[in-house]
Amino acid sequence: AAGVIQSPRHLIKEKRETATLKCYPIPRHDTVYWYQQGPGQDPQFLISFYEKMQSDKGSIPDRFSAQQFSDYHSELNMSSLELGDSALYFCASSARGNEQYFGPGTRLTVT
Amino acid sequence: KQEVTQIPAALSVPEGENLVLNCSFTDSAIYNLQWFRQDPGKGLTSLLLIQSSQREQTSGRLNASLDKSSGRSTLYIAASQPGDSATYLCAVRPLTGGGNKLTFGTGTQLKVEL
Repeated sequence: AAGVIQSPRHLIKEKRETATLKCYPIPRHDTVYWYQQGPGQDPQFLISFYEKMQSDKGSIPDRFSAQQFSDYHSELNMSSLELGDSALYFCASSARGNEQYFGPGTRLTVT
Repeated sequence: KQEVTQIPAALSVPEGENLVLNCSFTDSAIYNLQWFRQDPGKGLTSLLLIQSSQREQTSGRLNASLDKSSGRSTLYIAASQPGDSATYLCAVRPLTGGGNKLTFGTGTQLKVEL
């Protein structure tokens, strides 16, 4: 069965650079979610999209933005990167708000 | 604000033992609760989803129960195996006002030894 795809899987950036993470949800899933998991921490909700419209927003810094495109894939854009942005970034998708399926994550390291 | 707590934080058991992981949440107005497994540095694998109207769900050697009124869920793992070693996370979805976002617990790190 198709799963959530995230790219890249690993990303190394320097402080103040910009990063773009991509997420391809499971086909026919209408909702995409982004979560951030810092080292030794539980995942924290960042933002979600339902049918290409932002549906909810969590503790997402103003330096971050996201969108969902017409083909339902989503991108998380992160600017002016800080050391504290180093984390695992997960994308998840669901159909009509039911069970969320998570991708393998993108490990971002900011040096 | 919903807070989710998991006890114990870490657990080490010998192979073959039955075990129970606990999850508690402060706001009982939930839509559903999910249990996940996470291997070190890896993604989250959904194990079980319990809707707020359900009392339990079973999948193979796993059984999850939900007592919404008391804000508790348990994950029962029967006949544990070394391959069960991982961190187990519970997460709740709010009934209203919070969209579909999940609030996660802090996890229980399980080690099953030979």
